[in-house]
Amino acid sequence: DGGITQSPKYLFRKEGQNVTLSCEQNLNHDAMYWYRQDPGQGLRLIYYSQIVNDFQKGDIAEGYSVSREKKESFPLTVTSAQKNPTAFYLCASSLGQGFAGAGVNTEAFFGQGTRLTVV
Amino acid sequence: GESVGLHLPTLSVQEGDNSIINCAYSNSASDYFIWYKQESGKGPQFIIDIRSNMDKRQGQRVTVLLNKTVKHLSLQIAATQPGDSAVYFCAENMGSTLTFGKGTMLLVSP
Repeated sequence: DGGITQSPKYLFRKEGQNVTLSCEQNLNHDAMYWYRQDPGQGLRLIYYSQIVNDFQKGDIAEGYSVSREKKESFPLTVTSAQKNPTAFYLCASSLGQGFAGAGVNTEAFFGQGTRLTVV
Repeated sequence: GESVGLHLPTLSVQEGDNSIINCAYSNSASDYFIWYKQESGKGPQFIIDIRSNMDKRQGQRVTVLLNKTVKHLSLQIAATQPGDSAVYFCAENMGSTLTFGKGTMLLVSP
């Protein structure tokens, strides 16, 4: 089945460690996104990528890094510089050029999320 | 800065009632809006979208209304069911990204 897959579902990190969250999609989407969600809050954009080998910072990029070496994959690394990493992380993808490619708006498809906890 | 927000954090309804969830946006340049449903511990699911050249769009049991004059978006759910209980987010297309509001919790009691 086509879709977007995040792994792991739960992740525990010790203080000072870097951890990497996986996001893979087989929808042939050009654009991919990482959001962070805190309890009772909306989604805040961390990083996004509109095309392979290119990505841009979102609203809360500090303490995070990404790569986009393949169209299907957009891993997110939570570094030790992120002071409050405990949150629910959501990856999304959309058809192309963000949400308004070629004059056609398309929705973003989300993965099921990774819940990261610092122990 | 400009942002998307929601009027009601929690909405409680009886099964079978119609539900209306509201959203205000402030970026008059936004041209695309989406409603998502998020169940506990899961990723958001697309419900319905609307472009700024439309005032209304209907889906199965759901209707989205867009009032550009007052920058207001609403989601109407007909004959609300217990399975509709979730957090609902509106999202606004700003350039190449989506900006989300904080969400409204919909609680449906039998």
